Amino acid sequence: RKEVEQDPGPFNVPEGATVAFNCTYSNSASQSFFWYRQDCRKEPKLLMSVYSSGNEDGRFTAQLNRASQYISLLIRDSKLSDSATYLCAVRGTGGFKTIFGAGTRLFVKA
Amino acid sequence: EAQVTQNPRYLITVTGKKLTVTCSQNMNHEYMSWYRQDPGLGLRQIYYSMNVEVTDKGDVPEGYKVSRKEKRNFPLILESPSPNQTSLYFCASSFSEGGSHEQYFGPGTRLTVT
Repeated sequence: RKEVEQDPGPFNVPEGATVAFNCTYSNSASQSFFWYRQDCRKEPKLLMSVYSSGNEDGRFTAQLNRASQYISLLIRDSKLSDSATYLCAVRGTGGFKTIFGAGTRLFVKA
Repeated sequence: EAQVTQNPRYLITVTGKKLTVTCSQNMNHEYMSWYRQDPGLGLRQIYYSMNVEVTDKGDVPEGYKVSRKEKRNFPLILESPSPNQTSLYFCASSFSEGGSHEQYFGPGTRLTVT
């Protein structure tokens, strides 16, 4: 089993749709959690850190469920510009080793 | 402008010819890391460094070397490249305290080994 697993893609959704991604992790000692966005052939960029209490940034909401060991990302009112690959990342104790999921591709269509 | 730079951006080389990919950051970050990204496998960590002269292996360190002689630079060395090291490589950096800081990535180096 991979240490960090994400929903298989691609997700194809119409503009305005709500879409959710999940990411499970196997190490219960993991401390920090992130969602990154990666456009084609570009470097990943931080979308959101994920906090225990959940956090929201505009149309994006991230949640952490430690008991079930997963994080989620919800995108509301999808835009064409949201089309990208979304990577979850998990950092362990000490915060130095980071494991990324393989990514989920999202296509938003007009 | 705060950034992570990598050079070269594209490189085609032959098996066995030693090469170095440079990485530099201007944000005074303690933590730096190298990843490779392959289709279907995502980003895999090769090596990371917590500070000057402190480095450690990630998940896929075989065939790679690194050094951290200065805080801003973290070069990746392939002593004898092989075709299975053909990949897209990213350098990243962050502040290290608490491990909760986001990583900033360089633009990537696309390496082809023939």
